[in-house]
Order: sequence, then structure tokens, then C-alpha cells
Amino acid sequence: AAGVIQSPRHLIKEKRETATLKCYPIPRHDTVYWYQQGPGQDPQFLISFYEKMQSDKGSIPDRFSAQQFSDYHSELNMSSLELGDSALYFCASSFQNSAKNIQYFGAGTRLSVL
Amino acid sequence: DAKTTQPNSMESNEEEPVHLPCNHSTISGTDYIHWYRQLPSQGPEYVIHGLTSNVNNRMASLAIAEDRKSSTLILHRATLRDAAVYYCILRAPPGGSEKLVFGKGTKLTVNP
Repeated sequence: AAGVIQSPRHLIKEKRETATLKCYPIPRHDTVYWYQQGPGQDPQFLISFYEKMQSDKGSIPDRFSAQQFSDYHSELNMSSLELGDSALYFCASSFQNSAKNIQYFGAGTRLSVL
Repeated sequence: DAKTTQPNSMESNEEEPVHLPCNHSTISGTDYIHWYRQLPSQGPEYVIHGLTSNVNNRMASLAIAEDRKSSTLILHRATLRDAAVYYCILRAPPGGSEKLVFGKGTKLTVNP
């Protein structure tokens, strides 16, 4: 079965550079979530989109922005990167009208800021 | 967001049952109890969820206390593949906030 696809899997950037992370949800899923997991930390919710509209927002820095496109894929744009942005970034997708509303996670993008 | 409390770590032997506890004394009447796990170097993975009644699926069982202030995830026969961090998460019913709020979780070690 198709899973959530994230690209790239690994990304190395310098301070003050920009990065774009991509997420392709499971087919027919209408909701995308982004989470950040720092080294030794638990995943923290950043932002979510339902039907291309932002549905919820967590502790996402103003330097980050995200959107969901007409094909339901999502991109997380990160500017003015800081050392503290080094983390695993997970994308999850779900079908909002499902009774269970299970979130299915991708394998993550590991971002290293040098 | 309602808070959950779990032991930092637990240890089990292969092929033995494992009971992972979770306290959620401030749970609201409409909160669902979800369990996710995160295997090393992987994204979190759904395990099971419930509201009031005990639940079983192919991965695990979920036992919910009558007052709903605590629950227990039961792995009937632990395997080495079950070594992971297990998260107990309270979620609003469908239509509410759908985000997952991860707490500290329980790191399960399975000994061969």
C-alpha cells in the first residue's frame, strides 16, 4: 500500500540558508500535518492543512511557512535557518472524515544546519 | 491539551506480555485515548485507540479504566520488533483539533 512520501530524506544546509521539505500524502487523504523532532526530543506539532486550508497551528517559527497544493501535497519552507532547526521533520496524512482519523507518518526528513 | 503521564522506560523479555500504563486524570468526557509508537529511526505509527470500552486489534489491546482516568496498552507477546517509544495521547473527537500532542512516552526495551 502507498505510504506518505517525504523528500528529501536528508538535507544539509548552512546557517541563514533556506530549505524546502516536501510531503506527498497517501492517495485520497485530505489532511496533512507537520511535526518537528529535535535530537532526543518527542515530536512537536507545527502546522496542519485540510483541503488546502490551514486547519491548526502549533509552535511554528515565523521563519517557517507551509502550504498544501491542489494535488494535496504539502511543502514546508524554512528560511534564515538556525542551528536549532536541526531536527527530524515528519509529515503525516489522514482522511478527515474517517471515524478513526488515524495519522500515517512518513519516514521523515533529517535536516542538519551547519 | 489534556496531559498524560507514562513511565519513562520499561523492560520486557521476548514472547512475554507487556502492560504499558498511562495516567490521564484530566481527561474530558469526549477525549479519545490513542496510542502511537515510534520505532528507532522511523516515524510514529498508530497502534490502537478507544473511548470507553476495551479494544483489541492485531497489534495490541487497550484496557480503559471505568473512570477513564487511566489506560493500559497490552502487547500480548512482545517481540524484538516491538522495541520502541510508546506514546499515550488524548485526542478531541472528530471535528475538534486533530493534531497529536506527544508527551514523554515510554521507551520499551525487549530482551531476547
